[in-house]
Amino acid sequence: IAGITQAPTSQILAAGRRMTLRCTQDMRHNAMYWYRQDLGLGLRLIHYSNTAGTTGKGEVPDGYSVSRANTDDFPLTLASAVPSQTSVYFCASSATLGGFNEQFFGPGTRLTVL
Amino acid sequence: GQNIDQPTEMTATEGAIVQINCTYQTSGFNGLFWYQQHAGEAPTFLSYNVLDGLEEKGRFSSFLSRSKGYSYLLLKELQMKDSASYLCAVRDRDYKLSFGAGTTVTVRA
Repeated sequence: IAGITQAPTSQILAAGRRMTLRCTQDMRHNAMYWYRQDLGLGLRLIHYSNTAGTTGKGEVPDGYSVSRANTDDFPLTLASAVPSQTSVYFCASSATLGGFNEQFFGPGTRLTVL
Repeated sequence: GQNIDQPTEMTATEGAIVQINCTYQTSGFNGLFWYQQHAGEAPTFLSYNVLDGLEEKGRFSSFLSRSKGYSYLLLKELQMKDSASYLCAVRDRDYKLSFGAGTTVTVRA
């Protein structure tokens, strides 16, 4: 593994189904993030984690949950998917919070909820 | 929260210069980032400004004026591979990034 990986690459899901998007990084970064990207709206923060064991809500957290059991993994769960959750989901990480600490992005998961 | 505005689209000729403006309103400014995103790919980091002034990195430069809530990304000697979306992002005091909707730059031969 090099950097950040996400799985699956794409998924078509029936409304009402539960879905977990996986994110793993091998850079030992403390902070991790989940964004969704929709046409015309840009990237919007769903949830974040400043360090293993802690999580926080972003701009659009409703309908999503996350956990951070260890440094490397940060899964995003849709408990009961709805069509408005159709989007491209990006996971990102950064070494620490402040200073010049860029966020590195995974390749994304394209999710379609029907 | 943040309110970040940038133009939707820009077109320029290969070899030319393009300036992408970004204005923002924030309750707590803690840095401004520019990212590049090619179609179907992940965003990649371009530049970071936290103090007023110009940061230069090869063909790309970024400027920040905190008092005006204004930044620009300058792309010089445009190449076809520079055709992409450019995202302006503002970091708040809680270290969270808020992104603008992005500016799609098309470079024509």
